[in-house]
Amino acid sequence: DAGVIQSPRHEVTEMGQEVTLRCKPISGHNSLFWYRQTMMRGLELLIYFNNNVPIDDSGMPEDRFSAKMPNASFSTLKIQPSEPRDSAVYFCASSLALGANYGYTFGSGTRLTVV
Amino acid sequence: GQQVMQIPQYQHVQEGEDFTTYCNSSTTLSNIQWYKQRPGGHPVFLIQLVKSGEVKKQKRLTFQFGEAKKNSSLHITATQTTDVGTYFCAASGSARQLTFGSGTQLTVLP
Repeated sequence: DAGVIQSPRHEVTEMGQEVTLRCKPISGHNSLFWYRQTMMRGLELLIYFNNNVPIDDSGMPEDRFSAKMPNASFSTLKIQPSEPRDSAVYFCASSLALGANYGYTFGSGTRLTVV
Repeated sequence: GQQVMQIPQYQHVQEGEDFTTYCNSSTTLSNIQWYKQRPGGHPVFLIQLVKSGEVKKQKRLTFQFGEAKKNSSLHITATQTTDVGTYFCAASGSARQLTFGSGTQLTVLP
């Protein structure tokens, strides 16, 4: 298995533009998580899905952020409009199921820079 | 989610010295996981501890879960430059998703 695949690896965009980050989880993994990592705030859970259904989006910072999982093999995180403070590394992770007994497999991340 | 405090935030050691990072919670944890993130990389799952007092080893790494299941530690014996990175603990209490600690950034000086 190729692991969790994220694209793009790097994204530089101007303030106000729409940004879409993509994630393909490991086949057979039923749970998918979006994290944001910054020096100041560490790893923050933004939203997670189970069987393609959003379970908890309380970590999404603002209405500018939205996430979808239209099928078991694809998820997107969209920021519209983007702002400089959104600059961070965004990680997607998947696990076999929800629950504490399963390790997470992280993708390589998308480094987003908003100028 | 479950809150876990991790100390120290940074640790510099000379190659060959030992290293320990600690993870603490005010409430009982159902389990705890440890991850390693190399500089510029992504977190990688290392291990999970479930039982009270559990001790697991991976080569030079020793992981412990406290008797009360409120704390955990990761100890590295005789550090090497390949051990450089940030070590995170992650835990869940009654919640079904993991909450990550703030991490301990390890620097190994050659």
